[in-house]
Amino acid sequence: EVQLVESGGGLIQPGGSLRVSCAASGFTVSNYYMSWLRQAPGKGLEWVSVIYSGGSTYYADSVKGRFTISRDNSKNTLYLQMNSLRTEDTAVYYCARMKLELGYYFDYWGQGTLVTVSS
Amino acid sequence: DIQMTQSPSSLSVSVGDRVTITCRASQGISNSLAWYQQNPGKAPKLLLYAASKLETGVPSRFSGSGSGTDYSLTISSLQPEDFATYYCQQYFSIPQYTFGQGTKLEIK
Repeated sequence: EVQLVESGGGLIQPGGSLRVSCAASGFTVSNYYMSWLRQAPGKGLEWVSVIYSGGSTYYADSVKGRFTISRDNSKNTLYLQMNSLRTEDTAVYYCARMKLELGYYFDYWGQGTLVTVSS
Repeated sequence: DIQMTQSPSSLSVSVGDRVTITCRASQGISNSLAWYQQNPGKAPKLLLYAASKLETGVPSRFSGSGSGTDYSLTISSLQPEDFATYYCQQYFSIPQYTFGQGTKLEIK
């Protein structure tokens, strides 16, 4: 059974750093495209970052230069390192596995971890 | 980036109603469209992909159609567990994946 479990969220001051994790089971993270997405309180869904199976990474313009996606194959875990955090980064952060059919969509999602950026 | 415009933003409906939600892309996306259902406090759940293909385990009352820039999600007979928020998402323009703003189904 595919499972994704995020952790690491919390309250952080503006300008601070935080790393969130996504532990996967039931499949091998390095064989799939994996993404981070987020949802600000009461708002819609926003794609944040993707790491391809080959290791290439891409970011939304809103986080480029501040966030870094990575994975640890030995732990089958995906990470999102978030630096220079802003109040507008406050959101529930989801990791998602991606599947190919006319392109890559999100077939499994974790339960999310809340990141609150506030002084 | 491709913009996705969903309508309506909310809908008051009753159990047993037929419901259609539409999604328009700012340019053609060649059926690279997915639909998700999200209940309050929960993660989104994949319903359909490639515009009309039903994800395994999703009830057959959900269906999708469309082409080019215009797509729709139809629920043939609304059930109590279907009251949720629905999002469309294009995956034609990669890696800039974009979502519609959501449609919330409310009990009439």
